[in-house]
Amino acid sequence: GEDVEQSLFLSVREGDSSVINCTYTDSSSTYLYWYKQEPGAGLQLLTYIFSNMDMKQDQRLTVLLNKKDKHLSLRIADTQTGDSAIYFCAELTGGGNKLTFGTGTQLKVEL
Amino acid sequence: DAMVIQNPRYQVTQFGKPVTLSCSQTLNHNVMYWYQQKSSQAPKLLFHYYDKDFNNEADTPDNFQSRRPNTSFCFLDIRSPGLGDAAMYLCATSSGHSYEQYFGPGTRLTVT
Repeated sequence: GEDVEQSLFLSVREGDSSVINCTYTDSSSTYLYWYKQEPGAGLQLLTYIFSNMDMKQDQRLTVLLNKKDKHLSLRIADTQTGDSAIYFCAELTGGGNKLTFGTGTQLKVEL
Repeated sequence: DAMVIQNPRYQVTQFGKPVTLSCSQTLNHNVMYWYQQKSSQAPKLLFHYYDKDFNNEADTPDNFQSRRPNTSFCFLDIRSPGLGDAAMYLCATSSGHSYEQYFGPGTRLTVT
């Protein structure tokens, strides 16, 4: 199957770290992604990781991949109010052109 | 410096009245995608063009069609919109040699 699951909501205080989790079921996925969607807007690619890696860091963002458990996480360090958005994980399937998205996690950053 | 442009941003159409949404890109990418995102749901791929080759997802209704007259433009045609077709429609592009998809801002379609 190609279901990708995420928890629906996460609330953190400004300055804390946020960790958004994702589980997927397609073991043949080559790339896994994190997208950010602000209200009424399109999807912004934040970062992605190749399936043979287990970690990728990009400034405040850290992606961890546990391929054995099919678990992907996104850690945002020093979370800011501007990070409030919906975060989607996605996996690349279907021979390399199809993105299958998770259900999305709404991150709320409180002062 | 818009890269993937969608027009209009908001579209209202009547039940059963054909509607066309447009997407253009300045990236010269050879792959263009259309996704449907219903309220509080994940985006779902409808179809994509790899160059001129059209690739339809198996569960995309026949009511949805697409045209790609050139590299830069791609259109989504909804022949007879139903109330269930109200959604955000997202266009994306990628280079065939890259696994990054770049999304436009979306067109929010309302069906009355």
